[in-house]
Amino acid sequence: DSGVTQTPKHLITATGQRVTLRCSPRSGDLSVYWYQQSLDQGLQFLIQYYNGEERAKGNILERFSAQQFPDLHSELNLSSLELGDSALYFCASSGTGYSYGYTFGSGTRLTVV
Amino acid sequence: EDKVVQSPLSLVVHEGDTVTLNCSYEVTNFRSLLWYKQEKKAPTFLFMLTSSGIEKKSGRLSSILDKKELFSILNITATQTGDSAVYLCAVDNYGQNFVFGPGTRLSVLP
Repeated sequence: DSGVTQTPKHLITATGQRVTLRCSPRSGDLSVYWYQQSLDQGLQFLIQYYNGEERAKGNILERFSAQQFPDLHSELNLSSLELGDSALYFCASSGTGYSYGYTFGSGTRLTVV
Repeated sequence: EDKVVQSPLSLVVHEGDTVTLNCSYEVTNFRSLLWYKQEKKAPTFLFMLTSSGIEKKSGRLSSILDKKELFSILNITATQTGDSAVYLCAVDNYGQNFVFGPGTRLSVLP
């Protein structure tokens, strides 16, 4: 157990729907990162939050949004889902200062049918 | 745009072989290079490299960075079937995010 908790582990939904993925960072970590990993693709950075504020944004679609709450858990909202959104979505966390790499959660596998 | 390239993309070897995985990068602000191993799900951290020429070792795995030529290699000696995984290289561009390469899929046959 890495200490980063992602729920749900699997999600199957229809095109056009909206889903929410949840991440609880490792205890004490203030930064949360969301990544998307499609089949045979590398990890694509979506967005980073630090202590409740958006810190950096990658190639995140306008249909996607995220937030980090006061208790530091984060949610990634995906709306108007398309078949191409099917992927593994990873959350990672890191602590303050310079951290030796992320700690990844086990991911949420989203299947859009 | 920051970019990380890995080669080969896939590799099949037999137990006992030695493998070398390559990672080259182009980033505007380099802080460190990291290697991860991804088996079924979450990538797990292997090494972080910040200085050129200093080898990091962990058991049969080792890695080195060349900041002048902008590349790193990950060596695995005496491979075992448990080494089968996707090996990801990532570059830390000063904390905004890590830029990941596509990964090298290593298959070790008995």
